[in-house]
Amino acid sequence: DIQVTQSPSSLSASVGDRVTVTCRASQTISNYLNWYQQKPGNAPKLLIYGASTLQSGVPSRFSGSGSGTHFTLTISSLQPEDFATYYCQQSYSPPMYSFGQGTKLEIK
Amino acid sequence: ELQLVESGGGLIQPGGSLRLSCAASGFAVSTNYMSWVRQAPGKGLECVSVIFSGGDTYYADSLKGRFTISRDSSTNTVSLQMNSLRVEDTAVYYCARQTHSSTQPTLGYFDYWGQGALVTVSS
Repeated sequence: DIQVTQSPSSLSASVGDRVTVTCRASQTISNYLNWYQQKPGNAPKLLIYGASTLQSGVPSRFSGSGSGTHFTLTISSLQPEDFATYYCQQSYSPPMYSFGQGTKLEIK
Repeated sequence: ELQLVESGGGLIQPGGSLRLSCAASGFAVSTNYMSWVRQAPGKGLECVSVIFSGGDTYYADSLKGRFTISRDSSTNTVSLQMNSLRVEDTAVYYCARQTHSSTQPTLGYFDYWGQGALVTVSS
């Protein structure tokens, strides 16, 4: 099974900061990596698929990069509504796609 | 507007059974891949089961045959029958549509999610 590991598990930042979350896969997965945002009490929301393609309606301050085993999610300038938990997901190994353990982004 | 609405959650004793339903609107479940994803309290996301558009079904290894996914085209609903429930099955269960990139058809991702149904297994 392919494991995906996120770092850090939590992160404190301020409005306006540039933030990066990392996801590493246990084996090469090309660009089969997706990112989701989840706010407390809500379902996850798709942000990025295919490592770098922004889902329709997602603000351009979110970006994704990487290929193979190393991926990053970057928020260029944190907004108050961005404080949430972020999950990466590999979709290289169907049918059950595994998620990372999550990165909780908190207000400093 | 595409929407998924789960129902059927609740409190159940260990060893009991529960059936979750996910009503879809704005698209047909029969022509899409549909998944159930769960989240235990304070924990991360775990794919539980998926039904492909062709009808093939798959489950997380940890379930050991206790859960069954199905769909009903007439009601446009996906269901998850959960038997022999354990305390560790306590979670919010989300229904999600799995779609694929138009430019990279083997790349899948979950683009629509329901609001979740809470299942609590406790005596």
